[in-house]
Amino acid sequence: GAVVSQHPSRVICKSGTSVKIECRSLDFQATTMFWYRQFPKKSLMLMATSNEGSKATYEQGVEKDKFLINHASLTLSTLTVTSAHPEDSSFYICSARVNGPQETQYFGPGTRLLVL
Amino acid sequence: EDQVTQSPEALRLQEGESSSLNCSYTVSGLRGLFWYRQDPGKGPEFLFTLYSAGEEKEKERLKATLTKKESFLHITAPKPEDSATYLCAVQATSTGNQFYFGTGTSLTVIP
Repeated sequence: GAVVSQHPSRVICKSGTSVKIECRSLDFQATTMFWYRQFPKKSLMLMATSNEGSKATYEQGVEKDKFLINHASLTLSTLTVTSAHPEDSSFYICSARVNGPQETQYFGPGTRLLVL
Repeated sequence: EDQVTQSPEALRLQEGESSSLNCSYTVSGLRGLFWYRQDPGKGPEFLFTLYSAGEEKEKERLKATLTKKESFLHITAPKPEDSATYLCAVQATSTGNQFYFGTGTSLTVIP
């Protein structure tokens, strides 16, 4: 299957700082990537849809000025958590859409963010 | 309102004890139903996609089936390494082709 990587896998930062998370499709091109957030023992919550070369589409309740998404190439999307606060601590997962006869999403390994 | 519900929330099986996980959905215009496996602290790993009622997919000890209202993930003679959370997701035309995830079933297989 398709491989998606995320970097970093784990990050600890101070409150008020910004953190950038990278999502890369390693062996295919992805015009569409998704960013999810997952709380402990909860399901995946879609935050935004990232389209290459255009603005991201944010889900209701997600602050676009706080969670900046850039999809500058067909293999890279970035999520920047600006002015992070402890409540932003979570597990962030990206996925990339693979189109074709059988469309599906392949997920990255996730990034654990802890804001102190 | 569109909804994806998984049951049970948690399941403990003895090694070799077969069982099934359920994913029921209420969406309009189903485009696909997806099963993923997620290990703690990891991203979901794709297992199957089902597109139409009556379709079945198999992979090792796992078999996924689909009806017009629900999907089952059958686990035959499970092993401890099958322990994980199994997530179901639905993609529907009525929701702009977004993926909606269930809350998952946490499976523990005891040696």
